[in-house]
Amino acid sequence: AQSVTQLGSHVSVSEGALVLLRCNYSSSVPPYLFWYVQYPNQGLQLLLKYTSAATLVKGINGFEAEFKKSETSFHLTKPSAHMSDAAEYFCAVSDGTGGGNKLTFGTGTQLKVEL
Amino acid sequence: DVKVTQSSRYLVKRTGEKVFLECVQDMDHENMFWYRQDPGLGLRLIYFSYDVKMKEKGDIPEGYSVSREKKERFSLILESASTNQTSMYLCAIRGANQPQHFGDGTRLSIL
Repeated sequence: AQSVTQLGSHVSVSEGALVLLRCNYSSSVPPYLFWYVQYPNQGLQLLLKYTSAATLVKGINGFEAEFKKSETSFHLTKPSAHMSDAAEYFCAVSDGTGGGNKLTFGTGTQLKVEL
Repeated sequence: DVKVTQSSRYLVKRTGEKVFLECVQDMDHENMFWYRQDPGLGLRLIYFSYDVKMKEKGDIPEGYSVSREKKERFSLILESASTNQTSMYLCAIRGANQPQHFGDGTRLSIL
């Protein structure tokens, strides 16, 4: 069984400040990990994915995440927040095997960016 | 660009009605998924399909059924809608060695 924990359902940062959204996972096999972003009234858009290649993964819109096996973490960061980054962010894990490669999602973190 | 089209963005139905939510893809992918999204609970998998006429239950299938008669279309059916099925419903597709891509969602209200 696999699971994801996102610490902090709401995070608020100032524009230009560092963004750090936390994700810890549990998986009995080497995981595939994903971050998705959801803007208001839209579906989910893939930000980045980790699939056992480089541990530091770069995504769209200046976001990146680092896979740390020892800490079972996959935290999402961005050096400088922009107003347009305000959205809900979801971390997800998959075991990468058959059966449709199901994803297990965290409960989401709402990011607020203030002037 | 991947296109996942959900037939309605907003839908209002009454308790006891049979409700159909449609999802259509233009990518010829085998795998299609239905999730519901609720505040504080994230996304939970209802059903998925890995081929035409093939389906598997997800984590919360009770009160739902699905149909996949053609590869491009995956329908979610609420047999007898209840107020606790008021939610945002998201369809997703996945090709081989690809991440899941999502539609824009259907916000369903059951009165």
